[in-house]
Amino acid sequence: QSALTQPASVSGSPGQSITISCTGTSSDVGGYNFVSWYQHHPGKAPKLMIYGVSNRPSGVSNRFSGSKSGNTASLTISGLQAEDEADYYCSSYTSSSTHYVFGTGTKVTVL
Amino acid sequence: QVQLQQSGPGLVKPSQTLSLSCAISGDSVSSNSATWNWIRQSPSRGLEWLGRTYYRSKWYNDSAVSVKSRIIISPDTSKNQFYLQIYSVTPEDTAVYYCASRRDNAFDIWGQGTMVTVSS
Repeated sequence: QSALTQPASVSGSPGQSITISCTGTSSDVGGYNFVSWYQHHPGKAPKLMIYGVSNRPSGVSNRFSGSKSGNTASLTISGLQAEDEADYYCSSYTSSSTHYVFGTGTKVTVL
Repeated sequence: QVQLQQSGPGLVKPSQTLSLSCAISGDSVSSNSATWNWIRQSPSRGLEWLGRTYYRSKWYNDSAVSVKSRIIISPDTSKNQFYLQIYSVTPEDTAVYYCASRRDNAFDIWGQGTMVTVSS
């Protein structure tokens, strides 16, 4: 099972919006609405930011939003803030025996 | 508030067994709405789901094909925690290991991570 494809890095200035893509196949991202996104500050536990493609857990800022079109899911961060600088990973359920697959990860830099 | 606290050695010799524990607070390992998972991260393999245990009137376990022959994930209801054991480790098993709960089709709570190095 191959990892989902994400850009290695995305950057933006404070206040701007950025979008991170997550490309899979019809066996994972495209076939199920079970895409989730995680924020990871190195040395800390990953944090769930989006589940079920576009749902925010309680306590997550509404500056974070998710969507999906075909085999590609996206995470948008609006009103970029310094604290958003982190690694971001997508994940999806997959019909393969692996059950769950993760993205390659995107480093977000706030300029 | 659910929290997961990991424990276990950070150094394991090749061919030996990697053993980690994940203690649950704020929920029960016997929950009918959560599954209890192990995930690892390494530079070469990225994030990799290893397996899970969960209770739905009886206990179930399953694991990734890549480690299926070498892995055991088990619950401990008396201590409200779950375990990971990987047998016959090699340097390729060197990674940061995380335990995580899964609800609403997402890994909602993660442990703090344990760096495990396989080396003699």
